[in-house]
Amino acid sequence: GNSVTQMEGPVTLSEEAFLTINCTYTATGYPSLFWYVQYPGEGLQLLLKATKADDKGSNKGFEATYRKETTSFHLEKGSVQVSDSAVYFCALSTGANSKLTFGKGITLSVRP
Amino acid sequence: NAGVTQTPKFQVLKTGQSMTLQCAQDMNHEYMSWYRQDPGMGLRLIHYSVGAGITDQGEVPNGYNVSRSTTEDFPLRLLSAAPSQTSVYFCASSYEDSTEKLFFGSGTQLSVL
Repeated sequence: GNSVTQMEGPVTLSEEAFLTINCTYTATGYPSLFWYVQYPGEGLQLLLKATKADDKGSNKGFEATYRKETTSFHLEKGSVQVSDSAVYFCALSTGANSKLTFGKGITLSVRP
Repeated sequence: NAGVTQTPKFQVLKTGQSMTLQCAQDMNHEYMSWYRQDPGMGLRLIHYSVGAGITDQGEVPNGYNVSRSTTEDFPLRLLSAAPSQTSVYFCASSYEDSTEKLFFGSGTQLSVL
């Protein structure tokens, strides 16, 4: 079956620090990969996505590259801001009925 | 544009009580789904619907019922609440059968004592 593994959290960084959040996956077929973000008190929002190997998703300064050889989709940002404090979920879909398989999520806190 | 609206935001139940979590969307989306979010486990799919009158089970359907009588509404029913159902519940919708265009509600935090 499908599964997503995220690095353990929480993560606390100072403003302008470099961010990496690791995500690896196991899937049948050729999944699409996603990063979702959940700000305090809100629902999940799609942050970025990649639908095939070597694709790079990007949004709001965040980037992630679909690496089929390492089955990974690590999230990176060069300079985090306080407003990036949130919970980040890695997820995949193999396209059947819009079903998403999520990782456990990781809480990011950014200090001024 | 309200998007996906969930009510209530918070609820406390006693074991054995029943209740319905409401979900409504105003985007004319065909696809709707319910997820539960548990600490250290991410989100797991409970039930989903690809259109009015059509529902199907997800990964963790036991203890939950759904129906889809209209395009706009997709309520989730707990017939006899159990402590194991303490969780945060999210409703999601999309115009088509595509995970790339899912919109999530803000969640319902449920505690079962």
